[in-house]
Amino acid sequence: DGGITQSPKYLFRKEGQNVTLSCEQNLNHDAMYWYRQDPGQGLRLIYYSQIVNDFQKGDIAEGYSVSREKKESFPLTVTSAQKNPTAFYLCASSLDRGSYNEQFFGPGTRLTVL
Amino acid sequence: AQSVAQPEDQVNVAEGNPLTVKCTYSVSGNPYLFWYVQYPNRGLQFLLKYITGDNLVKGSYGFEAEFNKSQTSFHLKKPSALVSDSALYFCAVGLSNSGYALNFGKGTSLLVTP
Repeated sequence: DGGITQSPKYLFRKEGQNVTLSCEQNLNHDAMYWYRQDPGQGLRLIYYSQIVNDFQKGDIAEGYSVSREKKESFPLTVTSAQKNPTAFYLCASSLDRGSYNEQFFGPGTRLTVL
Repeated sequence: AQSVAQPEDQVNVAEGNPLTVKCTYSVSGNPYLFWYVQYPNRGLQFLLKYITGDNLVKGSYGFEAEFNKSQTSFHLKKPSALVSDSALYFCAVGLSNSGYALNFGKGTSLLVTP
């Protein structure tokens, strides 16, 4: 999982609560990504950031928010507006923006709504 | 839209036999294709990528993939399967209009039996 950490590993949320998933990388990568994984659906892009203080919505951004105040950190907040948040969340980073470098993935956070 | 398809949910192979995990792509322009592997409750690990050049791409752990433009395919192969190769395999295509994020297939579960 090379240089990317995600915490917590497991997270339980009550309905109506906001929760924040942490993603940190020490690879000095410019670009960072958040994906959601559901069984049988592969991974879907939530948000991405190519540079500090800038980020863009992916395919399923509704009910999520992010920030990129530091190069090494890209936290994801799952808000109460996300109606079906139970899933496995994966953070990834790649060396630089503007090219097809391979992405390095963190170990993931499994979020369960109680 | 740039997309990939993995037509098999599961592939079963006996240890020592060759394995193939199939992937077809649909892209406009030049395809940028990747294979990743995921072990249970873990993040994804990069295996190989095709950007340009030789149609046969060699990657990690003895895997290789063959890019076939006429058949729009990028099948993952290994000459001799190991039990430890059992995992979930994802094909992905790079998205230049989404910060070079990846659009993943739904995944193929590979089971190698002793």
